[in-house]
Amino acid sequence: DQQVKQNSPSLSVQEGRISILNCDYTNSMFDYFLWYKKYPAEGPTFLISISSIKDKNEDGRFTVFLNKSAKHLSLHIVPSQPGDSAVYFCAARLNNAGNMLTFGGGTRLMVKP
Amino acid sequence: DAGVIQSPRHEVTEMGQEVTLRCKPISGHNSLFWYRQTMMRGLELLIYFNNNVPIDDSGMPEDRFSAKMPNASFSTLKIQPSEPRDSAVYFCASSVQGFSYEQYFGPGTRLTVT
Repeated sequence: DQQVKQNSPSLSVQEGRISILNCDYTNSMFDYFLWYKKYPAEGPTFLISISSIKDKNEDGRFTVFLNKSAKHLSLHIVPSQPGDSAVYFCAARLNNAGNMLTFGGGTRLMVKP
Repeated sequence: DAGVIQSPRHEVTEMGQEVTLRCKPISGHNSLFWYRQTMMRGLELLIYFNNNVPIDDSGMPEDRFSAKMPNASFSTLKIQPSEPRDSAVYFCASSVQGFSYEQYFGPGTRLTVT
């Protein structure tokens, strides 16, 4: 069973607008969440993270929101740029599971000029 | 820092052949992870080492898959015998346990089994 789900396989956004990528999880023992970005023919690269004790973390154009009661997190990119076009993975770390992460299936973001 | 190094970048082999994928983690990192990415299953964890010791191999598909980490700077993932359904991109990642949860990924090995 998938404990981390990204229900939208793809998203298309106009340059300059906001991109919102969503992620849902089922295990309440997840205590840390990360977003990764992946370009074709490259490995995923870390983008931004949030601890379960927070509900928001911001880094430049990227903001991650966590709603623990809904077991939902989202990544906002404002403003979106063509270079943001990539596959975005959310990942979650289980409490007391070392550095092991569970990844969602990914969402392909396309930012149109 | 060279980052995580994986070899080969591409591997094409025939069904039944043995395949060995290699990974060199970032120096100083004590955790190493092997992942497989497919369209159907996304990015799935195969095995996780900490201080060269396998901690969780529950993601290894079956006995045809094996992984080793003989020292802190080298790991292998072996498939014997390979099957067409093993075709995927295999990633290696490393991190520093106890410092942060962020994992650093290599560029991946694209495996095609015909």
